Amino acid sequence: DGGITQSPKYLFRKEGQNVTLSCEQNLNHDAMYWYRQDPGQGLRLIYYSQIVNDFQKGDIAEGYSVSREKKESFPLTVTSAQKNPTAFYLCASSSGSDTQYFGPGTRLTVL
Amino acid sequence: GESVGLHLPTLSVQEGDNSIINCAYSNSASDYFIWYKQESGKGPQFIIDIRSNMDKRQGQRVTVLLNKTVKHLSLQIAATQPGDSAVYFCAENTGTASKLTFGTGTRLQVTL
Repeated sequence: DGGITQSPKYLFRKEGQNVTLSCEQNLNHDAMYWYRQDPGQGLRLIYYSQIVNDFQKGDIAEGYSVSREKKESFPLTVTSAQKNPTAFYLCASSSGSDTQYFGPGTRLTVL
Repeated sequence: GESVGLHLPTLSVQEGDNSIINCAYSNSASDYFIWYKQESGKGPQFIIDIRSNMDKRQGQRVTVLLNKTVKHLSLQIAATQPGDSAVYFCAENTGTASKLTFGTGTRLQVTL
């Protein structure tokens, strides 16, 4: 059963806490992406990675960090420097520069 | 579920009618376009794509039209069903490092 998985589905964070969102894909895709979605807005790119051990900042990278040690995995850490982290986070992957396929998302709420 | 698109434009369509969702894109250099469907609390789902060397592409019950002159993209859904109720996004790829730029989306409501 191929696809993209994200965990957890819901995540709660206290002020000043770092949290890590998981994204795994078994589609053998080279590229992976993290987006943030807020109500009434389109998806905004946080970070992306085109190959293992390499990644680039997207449009709203401040307060976030990523790693790409394995082709299948692209975890996102939301740090305490991110002042407004409550949002729906979506991970995607693609083969080349074409269609991106999305995971089910993680809803992060700051308490 | 996730409150996606609280203030999105909404298209209300009766079941069985055809739906047309429009999207204006920004970059004349964009060469690849995608339509996604997003249900509440879920990730976007690929519907159909089109390259800039085409002006029309058909799938199952869906058709995408591309007008490069006015930078306009539309998604037509034939015989709309209740299961089509969702938020629909267009996305464009300028070919720069596989990055997509997304529109804000349109909510489609199907009435019985």
